[in-house]
Order: sequence, then structure tokens, then C-alpha cells
Amino acid sequence: ETGVTQTPRHLVMGMTNKKSLKCEQHLGHNAMYWYKQSAKKPLELMFVYNFKEQTENNSVPSRFSPECPNSSHLFLHLHTLQPEDSALYLCASSQEWRGAYTEAFFGQGTRLTVV
Amino acid sequence: DAKTTQPNSMESNEEEPVHLPCNHSTISGTDYIHWYRQLPSQGPEYVIHGLTSNVNNRMASLAIAEDRKSSTLILHRATLRDAAVYYCILRDGRSGGGADGLTFGKGTHLIIQP
Repeated sequence: ETGVTQTPRHLVMGMTNKKSLKCEQHLGHNAMYWYKQSAKKPLELMFVYNFKEQTENNSVPSRFSPECPNSSHLFLHLHTLQPEDSALYLCASSQEWRGAYTEAFFGQGTRLTVV
Repeated sequence: DAKTTQPNSMESNEEEPVHLPCNHSTISGTDYIHWYRQLPSQGPEYVIHGLTSNVNNRMASLAIAEDRKSSTLILHRATLRDAAVYYCILRDGRSGGGADGLTFGKGTHLIIQP
């Protein structure tokens, strides 16, 4: 248990569906992140939020829409996804946004399958 | 953040020490060396980090070369639960410097034989 909780753990969705991934942390951290891990590829940073403000969008397609209503919650809204979007989506949090000497805590991820 | 190079995979026996190398020849003076690991079907977890001096914690030790161009993560007595992908990552320690988030490479896949 890392203190970062992601739901659901598994999700199967059709290409025309709309779904949302949820991430929650009660560690008092100020920064939250979404990462994508596709099969046989390194983790890719998607979005970064610092104090609820988005600071990074790594050229992510608009079919992925993040939302950070407060420092403890982070959502990833999904719509009209493609099969190649199937991957493990990981949420993380850290005390500081660009802290080189603080650790990031990761959730266990949501395994997404797009059919 | 500067780039790191790690072997794709390593194999070790249970209850023996494991030395996982990382090369970072372009490291700057303000870069911190971080290690994370990812167990099967889980998110990455923090292992250890350091700047210049060697570091120890309950999970592992980090040995940093004097010129800082390489480092070694040491697991003193590997168990089957240590089988994971280990990532060496540099983080810029300047105030406001560095990339947002962590930049992961392919890491080293550590296999532990019973």
C-alpha cells in the first residue's frame, strides 16, 4: 500500500465509450502525475499537475482529458479511444513538483483494454 | 534530465548480493541519482537516491563513483521478491530546474534464481 489508490484496477471499453480513471492520494502531496506503460515500452509521462494546475502535457492526444479538482484527486477522462491505447495507466504523487530529492509514490495502475 | 544507461537484464541467485550498474557520463553537478523498481503487475516504487556520497537504507545501498559518472545499486541479500525491473533516473536538483515528473528508460530486468 503506497498511499496512492487507483480505480478501477481493470477496465475494458469499446472505442465509442466514455470512461474515467480515478486516482486518490492522502499523503498531503502537491504534485500528481499520469503515466502510460504500453507493452515492452518504457513508462511515458502524460500529464503533470502541481497545486491543481496542469504544468505538463506531453503531446497527449485530446481523447485523453485530465482533471484535477483538488490536490488529492486526479482523473483521466477517456473517450473514443483506439486499440493502441490499451496499456497500464499509472498515477503518481510527490511532495514537490520538480523535487530532485523527494520520492514519487505510484498507484498500482489501471489495466485498460480497448476493444 | 541527463541520460542513463543500464544493462537490459541481470541474473542472480537467491540470498546473494546483487550489484546493478548504471552509467550516467553526462551527469551534471546538480543531478541527483534516483533508483526505482517495478515488481510484476505493480507500479514503480522508490528505492533510494543520492547526490555524491554513498547512501544506505533498509532496502538497498547506493554506491556513487567518485567522478559521479556511474553508480551501483546494491541489494545485499537478494530474495525472490526482489525480482523486478530496476530503473536508474537522474533528477536535476536546481531550484525550478529539470523536467516535470520522472523520465524512465528501459531499466534492468533482474532475475533471481532460487
